[in-house]
Amino acid sequence: ETGVTQSPTHLIKTRGQQVTLRCSSQSGHNTVSWYQQALGQGPQFIFQYYREEENGRGNFPPRFSGLQFPNYSSELNVNALELDDSALYLCASSNGQGINTGELFFGEGSRLTVL
Amino acid sequence: AQTVTQSQPEMSVQEAETVTLSCTYDTSENNYYLFWYKQPPSRQMILVIRQEAYKQQNATENRFSVNFQKAAKSFSLKISDSQLGDTAMYFCAFMKQYTGNQFYFGTGTSLTVIP
Repeated sequence: ETGVTQSPTHLIKTRGQQVTLRCSSQSGHNTVSWYQQALGQGPQFIFQYYREEENGRGNFPPRFSGLQFPNYSSELNVNALELDDSALYLCASSNGQGINTGELFFGEGSRLTVL
Repeated sequence: AQTVTQSQPEMSVQEAETVTLSCTYDTSENNYYLFWYKQPPSRQMILVIRQEAYKQQNATENRFSVNFQKAAKSFSLKISDSQLGDTAMYFCAFMKQYTGNQFYFGTGTSLTVIP
C-alpha cells in the first residue's frame, strides 16, 4: 500500500507567477483535500475533491483551483502568486465522502516560497 | 464558524513523564469529531487519536488519552510515559459531521521530550 506522495517538495516562484502542485492519493482512496500551512500556523482547508468534483471549499480566492483525475490523483493550481502564498501545501486523502472515520492520510507537503 | 484554540505554543517534558496538551474549541454544532494530529520534523501529519462528540467515554490509544469535556468545549491530550519519538508539533482539529474532510486546526503545540 503506497502512501500519499506530493511533488515537488520545494519550489521557489516570484510574485505574479503560477504554480502547480501534484498529489498522488493513497491506494484505494477516492477523496483528496488540500491544506495550506503558513509558518507557525495550523493547516487551513483549501478545498476537497471527490470523484473528480470539488465538493467543499474553504475561504480561499478563485485563483486557487484544483483538479482530480480518474486515478484520484490531484493538482492544486495557484495563479497570480502573492507573497502571502508562501507556505507548506499539504495534500490529504481518505476513502469515501462524508464517511466520517475522519482519518486523513497526509503527504509530506510541498514547500512554496514566493519572492 | 468553528475555531480551535491551543494556548500552549511550546511545552517540554522529561522522558518517561506525563504531559497534557490543552485544546478548546468553539462550535454551535452538536455532531462533530475531534482529533489530535502529530507533525514530526519530517512534516508528515499522523493521526494520534480521535473522539466522536456523541461518545461520553474518553478515547485512548496506548499511551495517548484524551479528556473530552463537551459542555466546556475542551479536548486535552495526555501523553503518558513520554518517549523521545513523541517530540513533534501537535495539532488539535475539529470536523463537523457529514462535511467530508474539512478540518479546522489549531495553531499547534510544539512538544519536546527531554532525555
